[in-house]
Amino acid sequence: GAVVSQHPSWVICKSGTSVKIECRSLDFQATTMFWYRQFPKQSLMLMATSNEGSKATYEQGVEKDKFLINHASLTLSTLTVTSAHPEDSSFYICSARMGHNQPQHFGDGTRLSIL
Amino acid sequence: GQQVMQIPQYQHVQEGEDFTTYCNSSTTLSNIQWYKQRPGGHPVFLIQLVKSGEVKKQKRLTFQFGEAKKNSSLHITATQTTDVGTYFCAGLSNTGKLIFGQGTTLQVKP
Repeated sequence: GAVVSQHPSWVICKSGTSVKIECRSLDFQATTMFWYRQFPKQSLMLMATSNEGSKATYEQGVEKDKFLINHASLTLSTLTVTSAHPEDSSFYICSARMGHNQPQHFGDGTRLSIL
Repeated sequence: GQQVMQIPQYQHVQEGEDFTTYCNSSTTLSNIQWYKQRPGGHPVFLIQLVKSGEVKKQKRLTFQFGEAKKNSSLHITATQTTDVGTYFCAGLSNTGKLIFGQGTTLQVKP
C-alpha cells in the first residue's frame, strides 16, 4: 500500500518551456502533498506544501510564480515549472501523506533537464 | 530555524561490518522518520518512531529515538551490499513540517 506515482520520470526541453509534473496517490487519499527539489549528493529541499482545495504554502526563497502548484483533489497534485531555464534543471520529487503524524510516501521523482 | 543534523556524511565499510548513523535535532520532535534512497532512486520510507526512548527493529536494522525526542540513530548489523544507499532521518516538527537531515551515504565493499 501507500503508492505514489509521479510522472514524467524524465523531461528534456528547451529553455523557456513550461513543464508540468503530476503526483498521484494511487491507493490512499492524501490530505497533504509536498514538493521537494534535490541536487546531486544533497538532501531534499522542501519547496512547498500543498493541501487539497487550498493554496500551496511555499518555502522561503521559492518563487510562487515560477513553480505553480495545484492540488485539485485528494489524490492529485501538480507542479508546473513555468518558463524553465537551465538553472531549474534538477530532480523534483513529490510526496504524500494521509495525516499529520503519518509518514510521507515519495514518488519516483522527475529529472528535469533544461537545455 | 529548526535543523536536523546527521552524521557521518559518508561511511565506507567492509561487508559484514556494522554501520551507524546519528541524527540530532535542535528542537523536540513529534516523531522521527527514516528513509533510504538508493542511487538514482527516490526516498523509501523505512520506519517511524514516536515515543520517547523507543527502539524498533527490522531484521538487521535497529532504530532508536532518544529520551528527549531530539536525537535518533539507525544501526545496521553485519552490512550487506544491498544496504548501499543514502539514509535520511527526518524529524516532524511541531509546525507539521518534515525536516530532513543531510543524509548518510553508505558504501559497502564486498
